[in-house]
Amino acid sequence: EAGVAQSPRYKIIEKRQSVAFWCNPISGHATLYWYQQILGQGPKLLIQFQNNGVVDDSQLPKDRFSAERLKGVDSTLKIQPAKLEDSAVYLCASSLGGQGYNEQFFGPGTRLTVL
Amino acid sequence: AQKVTQAQTEISVVEKEDVTLDCVYETRDTTYYLFWYKQPPSGELVFLIRRNSFDEQNEISGRYSWNFQKSTSSFNFTITASQVVDSAVYFCALRVYGGSQGNLIFGKGTKLSVKP
Repeated sequence: EAGVAQSPRYKIIEKRQSVAFWCNPISGHATLYWYQQILGQGPKLLIQFQNNGVVDDSQLPKDRFSAERLKGVDSTLKIQPAKLEDSAVYLCASSLGGQGYNEQFFGPGTRLTVL
Repeated sequence: AQKVTQAQTEISVVEKEDVTLDCVYETRDTTYYLFWYKQPPSGELVFLIRRNSFDEQNEISGRYSWNFQKSTSSFNFTITASQVVDSAVYFCALRVYGGSQGNLIFGKGTKLSVKP
């Protein structure tokens, strides 16, 4: 079974530029998550999708971050414009469902450096 | 509010030593789930174990064992006879049961270095 795929693996941009990350979850997984992991910390949830609908985006900085999952499969996360503090690893995860007992499977992440 | 505390930032051991990683959690919910994940240098989070709040039975899987104690709100992880391949950052995480929201609350992680 293929795992969660993410691209690119690394990205370096200047502040105020835009960037987009892509995620393809495990086939059949209805729930998709984007996490932000700042160096030295645990991942923090940015947004959760159930199929193509948003379940929780309470910690997403909506003035600069946006995400979509149009067909309920793959997803993109965009930052526009980027700030220095956005330097982090962006992890995508998926699970069969959104309930607490469902195991989340994580992708390899995209490491973003904002200069 | 939910919170996970991993007080040990870094641990260094010599191969074959036993090591315990501590995890203390806070939640007012009575139904919740606890997880341990391993994050090797490649960056991918690897699931190790899930425990629900009604199951305090300790679990052993090979060289790994977990001790869940609701009385002290702890969910500690022990690696017996550590190996160099165990070197990674280990995260403890908490997730409450409610509804369809799946917010995993992670601790800050413990970096384990196993030296040959």
